[in-house]
Amino acid sequence: TQLLEQSPQFLSIQEGENLTVYCNSSSVFSSLQWYRQEPGEGPVLLVTVVTGGEVKKLKRLTFQFGDARKDSSLHITAAQTGDTGLYLCAGEEYGNKLVFGAGTILRVKS
Amino acid sequence: GAVVSQHPSRVICKSGTSVKIECRSLDFQATTMFWYRQFPKQSLMLMATSNEGSKATYEQGVEKDKFLINHASLTLSTLTVTSAHPEDSSFYICSAGETRGLGYGYTFGSGTRLTVV
Repeated sequence: TQLLEQSPQFLSIQEGENLTVYCNSSSVFSSLQWYRQEPGEGPVLLVTVVTGGEVKKLKRLTFQFGDARKDSSLHITAAQTGDTGLYLCAGEEYGNKLVFGAGTILRVKS
Repeated sequence: GAVVSQHPSRVICKSGTSVKIECRSLDFQATTMFWYRQFPKQSLMLMATSNEGSKATYEQGVEKDKFLINHASLTLSTLTVTSAHPEDSSFYICSAGETRGLGYGYTFGSGTRLTVV
Protein backbone atom coordinates (compact mmCIF):
# COMPACT_ATOMS: atom_id res chain seq x y z
CA THR A 1 0.00 0.00 0.00
CA GLN A 2 1.32 3.41 -0.97
CA LEU A 3 1.56 6.23 1.56
CA LEU A 4 0.27 9.79 1.34
CA GLU A 5 1.73 12.49 3.53
CA GLN A 6 -0.67 15.33 4.16
CA SER A 7 0.29 18.64 5.74
CA PRO A 8 -0.35 20.58 7.80
CA GLN A 9 -2.31 18.41 10.22
CA PHE A 10 -3.94 21.39 11.85
CA LEU A 11 -4.56 24.91 10.60
CA SER A 12 -6.24 27.78 12.45
CA ILE A 13 -6.67 31.00 10.49
CA GLN A 14 -8.75 34.17 10.43
CA GLU A 15 -11.63 34.62 8.06
CA GLY A 16 -10.42 36.15 4.79
CA GLU A 17 -6.97 34.56 4.84
CA ASN A 18 -5.67 32.17 2.22
CA LEU A 19 -4.34 28.68 2.91
CA THR A 20 -2.80 25.71 1.15
CA VAL A 21 -2.92 22.05 2.10
CA TYR A 22 -0.38 19.66 0.62
CA CYS A 23 -0.47 15.99 -0.15
CA ASN A 24 2.74 14.19 -1.15
CA SER A 25 3.81 10.69 -2.02
CA SER A 26 6.79 8.94 -3.51
CA SER A 27 4.42 6.82 -5.56
CA VAL A 28 2.21 7.46 -8.57
CA PHE A 29 -1.56 7.32 -8.23
CA SER A 30 -4.11 6.84 -10.98
CA SER A 31 -6.06 9.74 -9.49
CA LEU A 32 -5.99 12.01 -6.48
CA GLN A 33 -9.20 12.92 -4.70
CA TRP A 34 -9.99 15.56 -2.12
CA TYR A 35 -12.73 15.14 0.45
CA ARG A 36 -14.20 17.21 3.23
CA GLN A 37 -15.59 15.56 6.34
CA GLU A 38 -17.82 17.01 9.04
CA PRO A 39 -17.83 15.49 12.56
CA GLY A 40 -19.97 12.37 12.73
CA GLU A 41 -20.44 12.24 8.96
CA GLY A 42 -18.81 10.44 6.07
CA PRO A 43 -16.40 12.28 3.75
CA VAL A 44 -17.88 14.20 0.83
CA LEU A 45 -16.02 14.33 -2.47
CA LEU A 46 -14.79 17.79 -3.49
CA VAL A 47 -12.87 16.94 -6.65
CA THR A 48 -10.91 14.27 -8.49
CA VAL A 49 -7.75 15.11 -10.44
CA VAL A 50 -6.45 12.61 -12.93
CA THR A 51 -4.03 14.21 -15.37
CA GLY A 52 -0.53 15.31 -14.35
CA GLY A 53 -0.40 19.09 -14.11
CA GLU A 54 -4.17 19.35 -13.94
CA VAL A 55 -5.74 22.32 -12.17
CA LYS A 56 -9.39 22.40 -11.13
CA LYS A 57 -11.26 25.24 -9.54
CA LEU A 58 -14.42 25.13 -7.45
CA LYS A 59 -15.34 28.68 -6.48
CA ARG A 60 -12.68 29.66 -3.91
CA LEU A 61 -10.99 26.24 -3.95
CA THR A 62 -8.16 25.44 -6.37
CA PHE A 63 -6.82 21.92 -6.72
CA GLN A 64 -3.58 20.99 -8.44
CA PHE A 65 -2.14 17.64 -9.41
CA GLY A 66 1.61 17.43 -9.79
CA ASP A 67 3.11 16.74 -13.18
CA ALA A 68 4.36 13.35 -12.00
CA ARG A 69 0.99 12.51 -10.38
CA LYS A 70 2.62 12.02 -6.99
CA ASP A 71 1.51 15.16 -5.20
CA SER A 72 -1.42 17.52 -4.98
CA SER A 73 -2.45 20.71 -3.29
CA LEU A 74 -5.64 22.38 -2.20
CA HIS A 75 -5.65 26.17 -2.03
CA ILE A 76 -8.50 28.08 -0.44
CA THR A 77 -8.80 31.80 -1.13
CA ALA A 78 -10.45 34.16 1.35
CA ALA A 79 -11.42 31.44 3.79
CA GLN A 80 -14.83 31.59 5.41
CA THR A 81 -16.04 30.13 8.71
CA GLY A 82 -18.09 27.67 6.69
CA ASP A 83 -14.86 26.17 5.34
CA THR A 84 -14.09 24.76 8.79
CA GLY A 85 -13.77 20.99 8.71
CA LEU A 86 -11.51 18.03 8.09
CA TYR A 87 -9.96 17.92 4.63
CA LEU A 88 -8.69 14.60 3.35
CA CYS A 89 -6.66 13.79 0.29
CA ALA A 90 -6.88 10.27 -1.06
CA GLY A 91 -4.85 8.58 -3.74
CA GLU A 92 -6.45 5.95 -5.87
CA GLU A 93 -4.30 2.92 -6.37
CA TYR A 94 -4.69 0.78 -9.43
CA GLY A 95 -7.47 -1.59 -8.43
CA ASN A 96 -9.65 1.25 -7.16
CA LYS A 97 -8.44 1.20 -3.56
CA LEU A 98 -8.18 4.57 -1.86
CA VAL A 99 -5.26 5.50 0.36
CA PHE A 100 -6.04 8.43 2.62
CA GLY A 101 -3.72 11.08 3.95
CA ALA A 102 -3.77 11.83 7.67
CA GLY A 103 -6.13 14.76 7.14
CA THR A 104 -5.98 18.48 7.82
CA ILE A 105 -8.24 19.97 10.47
CA LEU A 106 -9.06 23.49 9.32
CA ARG A 107 -10.53 26.04 11.68
CA VAL A 108 -11.53 29.41 10.30
CA LYS A 109 -12.19 32.03 12.98
CA SER A 110 -14.45 35.02 12.51
CA GLY B 1 -26.58 12.74 -6.87
CA ALA B 2 -25.54 9.30 -5.74
CA VAL B 3 -26.43 8.35 -2.21
CA VAL B 4 -25.03 5.66 0.02
CA SER B 5 -27.21 4.94 3.01
CA GLN B 6 -25.60 3.47 6.11
CA HIS B 7 -27.44 2.14 9.15
CA PRO B 8 -27.44 2.37 12.06
CA SER B 9 -25.79 5.72 12.64
CA ARG B 10 -25.07 4.90 16.26
CA VAL B 11 -25.05 1.65 18.18
CA ILE B 12 -24.09 0.73 21.70
CA CYS B 13 -23.64 -2.94 22.46
CA LYS B 14 -22.40 -5.12 25.25
CA SER B 15 -19.03 -6.77 25.07
CA GLY B 16 -19.27 -10.20 23.46
CA THR B 17 -22.28 -9.48 21.29
CA SER B 18 -22.35 -9.00 17.51
CA VAL B 19 -23.38 -5.91 15.58
CA LYS B 20 -24.44 -5.68 11.94
CA ILE B 21 -23.95 -2.50 9.90
CA GLU B 22 -25.71 -2.08 6.56
CA CYS B 23 -24.55 -0.08 3.57
CA ARG B 24 -26.91 0.50 0.64
CA SER B 25 -26.38 2.30 -2.65
CA LEU B 26 -29.74 3.97 -3.24
CA ASP B 27 -29.68 5.04 -6.87
CA PHE B 28 -26.83 3.13 -8.44
CA GLN B 29 -25.41 -0.35 -8.48
CA ALA B 30 -22.14 -1.03 -6.75
CA THR B 31 -20.27 -4.21 -7.55
CA THR B 32 -17.60 -3.06 -5.12
CA MET B 33 -17.97 -1.37 -1.79
CA PHE B 34 -15.32 -0.45 0.73
CA TRP B 35 -15.36 -0.52 4.52
CA TYR B 36 -13.26 1.87 6.56
CA ARG B 37 -12.55 2.45 10.20
CA GLN B 38 -11.78 5.85 11.66
CA PHE B 39 -10.54 6.72 15.14
CA PRO B 40 -11.13 10.20 16.63
CA LYS B 41 -9.22 12.94 14.82
CA GLN B 42 -7.56 10.39 12.58
CA SER B 43 -7.88 9.50 8.94
CA LEU B 44 -9.75 6.61 7.38
CA MET B 45 -8.15 3.20 7.33
CA LEU B 46 -9.37 0.73 4.74
CA MET B 47 -10.48 -2.50 6.35
CA ALA B 48 -11.76 -4.51 3.41
CA THR B 49 -13.10 -4.43 -0.11
CA SER B 50 -16.53 -5.96 -0.50
CA ASN B 51 -17.21 -7.68 -3.81
CA GLU B 52 -20.72 -8.58 -4.94
CA GLY B 53 -21.13 -12.32 -5.25
CA SER B 54 -17.67 -13.20 -3.98
CA LYS B 55 -15.52 -13.10 -0.89
CA ALA B 56 -14.34 -9.82 0.53
CA THR B 57 -10.70 -8.84 0.32
CA TYR B 58 -9.29 -7.86 3.69
CA GLU B 59 -6.40 -5.53 4.38
CA GLN B 60 -3.39 -6.78 6.25
CA GLY B 61 -4.03 -6.97 9.98
CA VAL B 62 -7.83 -7.07 9.72
CA GLU B 63 -9.34 -10.26 11.11
CA LYS B 64 -11.77 -11.64 8.56
CA ASP B 65 -13.45 -13.89 11.13
CA LYS B 66 -14.13 -10.93 13.37
CA PHE B 67 -15.31 -8.51 10.71
CA LEU B 68 -17.66 -10.49 8.50
CA ILE B 69 -18.58 -8.88 5.20
CA ASN B 70 -21.44 -9.95 2.98
CA HIS B 71 -22.19 -8.33 -0.37
CA ALA B 72 -25.29 -10.26 -1.39
CA SER B 73 -26.63 -7.83 -4.00
CA LEU B 74 -25.50 -4.93 -6.17
CA THR B 75 -26.96 -2.44 -3.71
CA LEU B 76 -26.24 -3.93 -0.28
CA SER B 77 -23.13 -4.75 1.69
CA THR B 78 -23.10 -5.61 5.38
CA LEU B 79 -20.34 -5.58 7.98
CA THR B 80 -20.84 -7.69 11.09
CA VAL B 81 -18.56 -7.10 14.04
CA THR B 82 -18.59 -10.42 15.88
CA SER B 83 -17.92 -10.84 19.58
CA ALA B 84 -17.33 -7.13 19.92
CA HIS B 85 -14.94 -5.79 22.53
CA PRO B 86 -14.32 -2.24 23.75
CA GLU B 87 -11.29 -1.90 21.48
CA ASP B 88 -13.64 -2.37 18.51
CA SER B 89 -15.33 0.90 19.41
CA SER B 90 -14.82 3.20 16.46
CA PHE B 91 -16.45 5.03 13.56
CA TYR B 92 -17.13 2.66 10.67
CA ILE B 93 -17.78 4.06 7.19
CA CYS B 94 -18.65 2.40 3.90
CA SER B 95 -18.24 3.76 0.40
CA ALA B 96 -18.97 2.91 -3.21
CA GLY B 97 -17.40 4.29 -6.36
CA GLU B 98 -19.15 5.94 -9.28
CA THR B 99 -18.57 8.44 -12.05
CA ARG B 100 -20.12 11.87 -11.99
CA GLY B 101 -19.47 15.43 -13.00
CA LEU B 102 -16.64 15.96 -10.54
CA GLY B 103 -14.78 13.01 -11.96
CA TYR B 104 -14.69 9.47 -10.73
CA GLY B 105 -15.08 9.51 -7.00
CA TYR B 106 -16.48 7.68 -4.08
CA THR B 107 -19.69 8.29 -2.23
CA PHE B 108 -19.48 7.60 1.46
CA GLY B 109 -22.16 6.58 3.89
CA SER B 110 -22.78 8.77 6.91
CA GLY B 111 -20.91 6.37 9.16
CA THR B 112 -21.76 4.23 12.17
CA ARG B 113 -20.50 5.13 15.61
CA LEU B 114 -20.00 1.83 17.46
CA THR B 115 -19.51 1.87 21.20
CA VAL B 116 -18.85 -1.42 22.97
CA VAL B 117 -19.38 -1.34 26.72
